[in-house]
Amino acid sequence: QQQVKQSPQSLIVQKGGISIINCAYENTAFDYFPWYQQFPGKGPALLIAIRPDVSEKKEGRFTISFNKSAKQFSLHIMDSQPGDSATYFCAASMGGGFKTIFGAGTRLFVKA
Amino acid sequence: DVKVTQSSRYLVKRTGEKVFLECVQDMDHENMFWYRQDPGLGLRLIYFSYDVKMKEKGDIPEGYSVSREKKERFSLILESASTNQTSMYLCASSPGQIAKNIQYFGAGTRLSVL
Repeated sequence: QQQVKQSPQSLIVQKGGISIINCAYENTAFDYFPWYQQFPGKGPALLIAIRPDVSEKKEGRFTISFNKSAKQFSLHIMDSQPGDSATYFCAASMGGGFKTIFGAGTRLFVKA
Repeated sequence: DVKVTQSSRYLVKRTGEKVFLECVQDMDHENMFWYRQDPGLGLRLIYFSYDVKMKEKGDIPEGYSVSREKKERFSLILESASTNQTSMYLCASSPGQIAKNIQYFGAGTRLSVL
């Protein structure tokens, strides 16, 4: 019940294409769903986040789609760029962040 | 900008050694966390602390302990290092307000236990 399942493990996208990463959770007590981006040699950094009372959040080229009934959420990267090549982690959080469960990560490679 | 600094980027230790990983944050955050990152497993929480001298076990605390004597500093201790503790260790901090669950991460310490 505490798992967050993330797919795919790795993704190769052409420059200008759309990158899509999917996550699913079980525990309906989660109330905050952040995505973190990690470049090699760096720690993860918050990219975008959503709360379950909205179905979509967009920040620039990055969009989270949230389906509360299906307990699924996804990250869409529009017009993907080589600089977006990184590892992306979805997460589900509750209790003010004390309980944050991370997905296994997706390594994205954007071909120039 | 929030800065979370981990004292070492790379460490090589021998089996049975006592290992200290240090983490300092400069944003007066109440909460601090230690994770380990392994390929295909994501980030797994070892311990967290919500106040000075307070600590709570995470999902994989076995073989580890922590210390938080000052608000800005959170140390992870491997009492007797073993080869299965070879991993990337990440420290994070977050503000104490319930509405702000954002965690700020350090660059990580890659530990190899031989």
